[in-house]
Amino acid sequence: AQSVTQLGSHVSVSEGALVLLRCNYSSSVPPYLFWYVQYPNQGLQLLLKYTSAATLVKGINGFEAEFKKSETSFHLTKPSAHMSDAAEYFCAVSESAGNNRKLIWGLGTSLAVNP
Amino acid sequence: GAVVSQHPSRVICKSGTSVKIECRSLDFQATTMFWYRQFPKQSLMLMATSNEGSKATYEQGVEKDKFLINHASLTLSTLTVTSAHPEDSSFYICSARDLGKGEQFFGPGTRLTVL
Repeated sequence: AQSVTQLGSHVSVSEGALVLLRCNYSSSVPPYLFWYVQYPNQGLQLLLKYTSAATLVKGINGFEAEFKKSETSFHLTKPSAHMSDAAEYFCAVSESAGNNRKLIWGLGTSLAVNP
Repeated sequence: GAVVSQHPSRVICKSGTSVKIECRSLDFQATTMFWYRQFPKQSLMLMATSNEGSKATYEQGVEKDKFLINHASLTLSTLTVTSAHPEDSSFYICSARDLGKGEQFFGPGTRLTVL
């Protein structure tokens, strides 16, 4: 079985500060890992994904995440926060194979960016 | 990139009526579509997996007779909430898996309010 834990349901940073959103996973098979962003009343947009290639994954809007198997982590970072980064962020894991493989979701982290 | 649309974006209905939500993959074929439900400030809850031309697979606790899913073509899946009640009010999100890319693309969501 797979699971995802996002540490911290709310994170607040100042504009220009480092953003760090934590995600730890549990999986008995090689995982695929994802970070999605959701703006208010909108659907989800894929920020980045890990699919067993490079462990440091670069995504859109300046975000990146590093897959650390030894720590079972996939934390999301951005060097300098922008006001437009304020949103809900979800980490998800899926099995790496299978047509009907499901995404298992974390509970989400709400990011606030203060001026 | 791949685009998934949902219609309507918002719907308000009276208790006891049925509501149909459409999910379309606009520029790719999706043999598999997923339907999610999201309560305010919460993560996504997978309701069912829909495969083109076959019956949907529902998650535990989801009433298949209440949430009817039809996936009649490679670009369209519909979710019908039958005899809706106020507790069915939620944000419903669909996603479609691009067979060629293997990843899910999400629709913008449908806000259902049952009075």
